[in-house]
Amino acid sequence: DVKVTQSSRYLVKRTGEKVFLECVQDMDHENMFWYRQDPGLGLRLIYFSYDVKMKEKGDIPEGYSVSREKKERFSLILESASTNQTSMYLCASSLAGGRYEQYFGPGTRLTVT
Amino acid sequence: QKEVEQNSGPLSVPEGAIASLNCTYSDRVSQSFFWYRQYSGKSPELIMSIYSNGDKEDGRFTAQLNKASQYVSLLIRDSQPSDSATYLCAVLNTDKLIFGTGTRLQVFP
Repeated sequence: DVKVTQSSRYLVKRTGEKVFLECVQDMDHENMFWYRQDPGLGLRLIYFSYDVKMKEKGDIPEGYSVSREKKERFSLILESASTNQTSMYLCASSLAGGRYEQYFGPGTRLTVT
Repeated sequence: QKEVEQNSGPLSVPEGAIASLNCTYSDRVSQSFFWYRQYSGKSPELIMSIYSNGDKEDGRFTAQLNKASQYVSLLIRDSQPSDSATYLCAVLNTDKLIFGTGTRLQVFP
């Protein structure tokens, strides 16, 4: 079974804080993704990575950065949290190429006050 | 036009009935299609993938793909209250999955 874990289920941060969200997968997947999910807007891709030290911008990268130093770990960084970044953050991973089935972690509900 | 469109619902069906969920997509070159189930407050769970025209069955679930008409559907036979969730359609577009906003299914006893 694919297992994707995220460092926190719930997180509350203050405006302006630097926030780190960690994601780890144990299936040796090449690809990793960060999404946010908001009511009425669906899942939106923030960043993705095809390999260690590689990153690609998704649809809404502004205000975020990422780090992938090891194959199994993909971190999302909010440089200076703002209230409009309050959301559910979902990490996913998949094998490279071909069928591209993505498997999600449990999610982190982030509240920025 | 949204790239992947789903009716938001809710779709209400009685227990034991067939639930039919539909999805249309705009990019004709898409080759890979997925259905995810998401319970309230939880993350999406992959339940079906389909890559060729026609039907693919897995237990009570059947995915149907018609590339000429650009639609994908998911049938759930013998619906159970535990099937009540939001169902997300996803389409592979170059190297990214594009998700619909989901259809909420309610199965009542």
